[in-house]
Amino acid sequence: GESVGLHLPTLSVQEGDNSIINCAYSNSASDYFIWYKQESGKGPQFIIDIRSNMDKRQGQRVTVLLNKTVKHLSLQIAATQPGDSAVYFCAAPMGNTPLVFGKGTRLSVIA
Amino acid sequence: GAVVSQHPSWVICKSGTSVKIECRSLDFQATTMFWYRQFPKQSLMLMATSNEGSKATYEQGVEKDKFLINHASLTLSTLTVTSAHPEDSSFYICGGHAGLREQYFGPGTRLTVT
Repeated sequence: GESVGLHLPTLSVQEGDNSIINCAYSNSASDYFIWYKQESGKGPQFIIDIRSNMDKRQGQRVTVLLNKTVKHLSLQIAATQPGDSAVYFCAAPMGNTPLVFGKGTRLSVIA
Repeated sequence: GAVVSQHPSWVICKSGTSVKIECRSLDFQATTMFWYRQFPKQSLMLMATSNEGSKATYEQGVEKDKFLINHASLTLSTLTVTSAHPEDSSFYICGGHAGLREQYFGPGTRLTVT
């Protein structure tokens, strides 16, 4: 069935290092993909999105890479800070569902 | 980004009672609003999609008579959990968008049914 999944449930990174969070998807018909950050007890916060006709998009300290050949999406966070500690979800529209969320990766930043 | 509020942020109710959760888009008109449920350490699961002035579309497995959704205006949607049971205890999150790609989410409502 259709799914959006993440490779690892947890990721620990030293403060100042770069973080890479991965996501695999099954539906190649999705027009766009979105990364959300969710802090404990809060709703998801939009980070960055990428259209399916792009392979890279950069924001402030974040870069999203899309590899349609292998149906893989990644979020790179440069110079990871303690405030980046959260659960990160990739999400994409699939079929009739406006957004399907992946399982999430918990990023822990070690000071 | 756009701001979505939810009220209450947390609520405790007794089994068998009903609880209403409000979702408001504060600085944009949300033509479509979404309600999600999130259990601990799990992802968000879409419950239903509602368009202003029309009936909500529920996802498979979500009881429409138990989770009543009203989207009376472009800035307000409500979710009423009727005859709540302990298994309904969860984190309920609403999202809205105004025709753009990204959804903006509320801060969530933690429901505990005792």
